[in-house]
Amino acid sequence: AQSVSQHNHHVILSEAASLELGCNYSYGGTVNLFWYVQYPGQHLQLLLKYFSGDPLVKGIKGFEAEFIKSKFSFNLRKPSVQWSDTAEYFCAVKASGAGSYQLTFGKGTKLSVIP
Amino acid sequence: DAGVTQSPTHLIKTRGQHVTLRCSPISGHKSVSWYQQVLGQGPQFIFQYYEKEERGRGNFPDRFSARQFPNYSSELNVNALLLGDSALYLCASSASGGPYGYTFGSGTRLTVV
Repeated sequence: AQSVSQHNHHVILSEAASLELGCNYSYGGTVNLFWYVQYPGQHLQLLLKYFSGDPLVKGIKGFEAEFIKSKFSFNLRKPSVQWSDTAEYFCAVKASGAGSYQLTFGKGTKLSVIP
Repeated sequence: DAGVTQSPTHLIKTRGQHVTLRCSPISGHKSVSWYQQVLGQGPQFIFQYYEKEERGRGNFPDRFSARQFPNYSSELNVNALLLGDSALYLCASSASGGPYGYTFGSGTRLTVV
């Protein structure tokens, strides 16, 4: 079974600072990888996803993530955060291939951006 | 265009009671998945249904059951509620069986007292 580890429970940044949130997964096979965001009072929304190809994927709102297979990592980055990025961020993994339907989520990282 | 709708938004139940949570997927979506999100944790997979058939089940006891109706809406049922069942229950819909195009609802907050 797959598992996901998010290194930071709570990150506090000032506006315009750069962001990197760590995500490592444990699974021996091919995976699909996702980052979701949950803004205060809102539902989970997909930020970006990786299935195959270019390991650097770009998502909405200026976010990007890099898949490093050798490190089993899929870290989320943003060059300059805004107050509106305050939210909880979840990394998720799905085993690739037919017969696998579930997403396995990490515990989440809460991001607080100070104006 | 309506998103994924879940009802009720909040509810409070007593230990030992039964609860039914409801989910209406986005129009045209044939797959519904249920997740449990305990405070401070990420969502945990409970069930997935596609075309009214169960496609997957997470590591949850038999007290948890679900079904999908001909209109693709879904119910999640939990019997013999425990305090530990207190959580946000999320429904996600997608057009196909895979989670590639998941859209999540806002969830039902269940409190068991």
